[in-house]
Amino acid sequence: SQQGEEDPQALSIQEGENATMNCSYKTSINNLQWYRQNSGRGLVHLILIRSNEREKHSGRLRVTLDTSKKSSSLLITASRAADTASYFCATRPSGGYQKVTFGTGTKLQVIP
Amino acid sequence: NAGVTQTPKFRVLKTGQSMTLLCAQDMNHEYMYWYRQDPGMGLRLIHYSVGEGTTAKGEVPDGYNVSRLKKQNFLLGLESAAPSQTSVYFCASSYPGTSQPSYEQYFGPGTRLTVT
Repeated sequence: SQQGEEDPQALSIQEGENATMNCSYKTSINNLQWYRQNSGRGLVHLILIRSNEREKHSGRLRVTLDTSKKSSSLLITASRAADTASYFCATRPSGGYQKVTFGTGTKLQVIP
Repeated sequence: NAGVTQTPKFRVLKTGQSMTLLCAQDMNHEYMYWYRQDPGMGLRLIHYSVGEGTTAKGEVPDGYNVSRLKKQNFLLGLESAAPSQTSVYFCASSYPGTSQPSYEQYFGPGTRLTVT
């Protein structure tokens, strides 16, 4: 079963607006990562947040993590048409496991 | 650096045929992974390897076998293909093996497999 579930499944916004997508997970984690996938391509790592961190920034990306609620959010500010893609969260569980579990993704469309 | 490459990019198989997907990485990564991606299902881990000569089962290993004879290569085999294995397959690698591990996974471009 999927560890992470993204919400919403699909999101359509105008260029320049902010996009927020959420990820919920089930078990304790070591870290949570966000990836982007352009249509027909492989995934690209965006940002990683560790379990002892609450917020992290990278350029126009802001990620928050609430371990008490087992949830994370990814905010993309001032969106661009090039941000159109699917976004996935991936959780690495506590306990030293070397694998991560991906969620089902949020499909973002940014309209020029 | 080429990063992670996958061969082939597309393949059509008949039910019962076999094939091997090849993944190669030139980043000296210890860990390698095979995923399948189906619509609405996200990525599901098939098998993974934490080093040369080692493999382990992931979430959906049935019907697949893997081998990691060389550190840079990770092979995924389908012994007797079934229509349920129609999917897009992604290979990924991670962890440069230094004292400060990086959990970021680097993905290949994918192999689109259709089993008829």
